[in-house]
Amino acid sequence: KNEVEQSPQNLTAQEGEFITINCSYSVGISALHWLQQHPGGGIVSLFMLSSGKKKHGRLIATINIQEKHSSLHITASHPRDSAVYICAVSPLDQGAQKLVFGQGTRLTINP
Amino acid sequence: NAGVTQTPKFQVLKTGQSMTLQCAQDMNHEYMSWYRQDPGMGLRLIHYSVGAGITDQGEVPNGYNVSRSTTEDFPLRLLSAAPSQTSVYFCASSSRPGLPSPQHFGDGTRLSIL
Repeated sequence: KNEVEQSPQNLTAQEGEFITINCSYSVGISALHWLQQHPGGGIVSLFMLSSGKKKHGRLIATINIQEKHSSLHITASHPRDSAVYICAVSPLDQGAQKLVFGQGTRLTINP
Repeated sequence: NAGVTQTPKFQVLKTGQSMTLQCAQDMNHEYMSWYRQDPGMGLRLIHYSVGAGITDQGEVPNGYNVSRSTTEDFPLRLLSAAPSQTSVYFCASSSRPGLPSPQHFGDGTRLSIL
C-alpha cells in the first residue's frame, strides 16, 4: 500500500465548478505539500502546510493531522487549472526535505 | 531569478552510453535532489544533497552517480544507460535542510534510452 494515496485519479469538470482533490497518508509527517504539473511542464509548489488551512487566490488547502488527510479545493474552476495535482508528505522518520509522493490527480476543466 | 535550471530538456541515448544531466540553482539553497517520474508512479527520489560535499542515496539510486562540489550545481550521471532509465528527470532545491520548506523544481529532462 502506498504511503500517500490521492483520489480521484482523474477528474473532469465544467468551467466554474468547485473542485476537491483528496490526499490520505499513513505515516506521521512534519509537512504536506501540494504541487501542480501542467502537461509537458515543470512542477510548481502550491502549498506547504502542517496544520489548518491555507488560501491562495482560488486555491484552498486544508489538513487534518489527526485523520491524516488533506484536501485541495479550487473555486470557480477554469480551463487553465487543467493539470496534474500532486500531494507529497515529509515523513517524520526521514529528513524534513525527503518527500514521499502520491501518484497525482489529473484534472481537466472543460469550457 | 532563474530558479532551478536543468539541461538538456530532451535527450536520446543508446544503451550503454553515458551522459550527465545538469542542474543549477541560483537561490543559495543547501538542499538539492534528483527525482525520476514514470507513468503510473509517483516521483521517486534518486539522490539528494544537504550541502556542498555531502550526497546520499534515495529510493532508486542504482545506475546513477552524483556529486556536489558547489552549492549551485548538482549533476546527475548515468554511467551506462539502460532502457529502464527512460524517464523524466526533475531536479529540485529547497532552502532549509533541517526544516520543511517548499521545494523548487526545474522544468525536467525527458530522457529516452534506445
